[in-house]
Amino acid sequence: SYELTQPPSVSVSPGQTARITCSGDALSKQYVYWYQQKPGQAPVVVIYKDSERSSGIPERFSGSSSGTTVTLTISGVQAEDEADYYCQSADSDGGNWVFGGGTKLTVV
Amino acid sequence: EVQLVQSGAEVKQPGESLKISCKGSGYTFTSYWIGWVRQVPGKGLEWMGIIYPGDSDTRHSPSFQGQVTISVDKSINAAHLQWSSLKASDTAIYYCARRDPGLYFFEYWGQGTLVTVSS
Repeated sequence: SYELTQPPSVSVSPGQTARITCSGDALSKQYVYWYQQKPGQAPVVVIYKDSERSSGIPERFSGSSSGTTVTLTISGVQAEDEADYYCQSADSDGGNWVFGGGTKLTVV
Repeated sequence: EVQLVQSGAEVKQPGESLKISCKGSGYTFTSYWIGWVRQVPGKGLEWMGIIYPGDSDTRHSPSFQGQVTISVDKSINAAHLQWSSLKASDTAIYYCARRDPGLYFFEYWGQGTLVTVSS
């Protein structure tokens, strides 16, 4: 199995840009997906296939990939974006998936 | 509209057995993989495993292999997660989720089932 590493927390002020990274050895070969989870709610996918925005997700959310690190970028952060964000990937045949440890985004 | 509706919260004692369910509607249940994710209160998401209702093909996380049983009942469009002997460390919210048909991510999620194991 492999691991995905995320920073535990990121803090930004409203209107600024938040960047949340996810690193792992397999990420140069496998796609990464990003989920947003607000307190008391189930996760929601915001980005799939490294950089595709899920339906209904605001344009301020974007994803990028470089080597073994992928980045979720939230431009012009709003208070409503405060949440936990998880990256997720899978092995080549989909038989084993892994989540990153999660990053708590705080909008201060 | 795709919906995954999970069974209600459970409170159990250590050593007891438990089966929780996830009922799918609004789509052809047998054509999409259904997975389970654990979230210990205040902690992150953990992928447990996934099952294809069409033929019950199942894949487990090495961390959960042998600890839980994942199954389906096609007659009622439900997936199940089962324990034979619960431990206090099984206390968590358990989510079911439907996999995207072409990619390895969860497109739709259930509301979660809180399982509390305490003596």
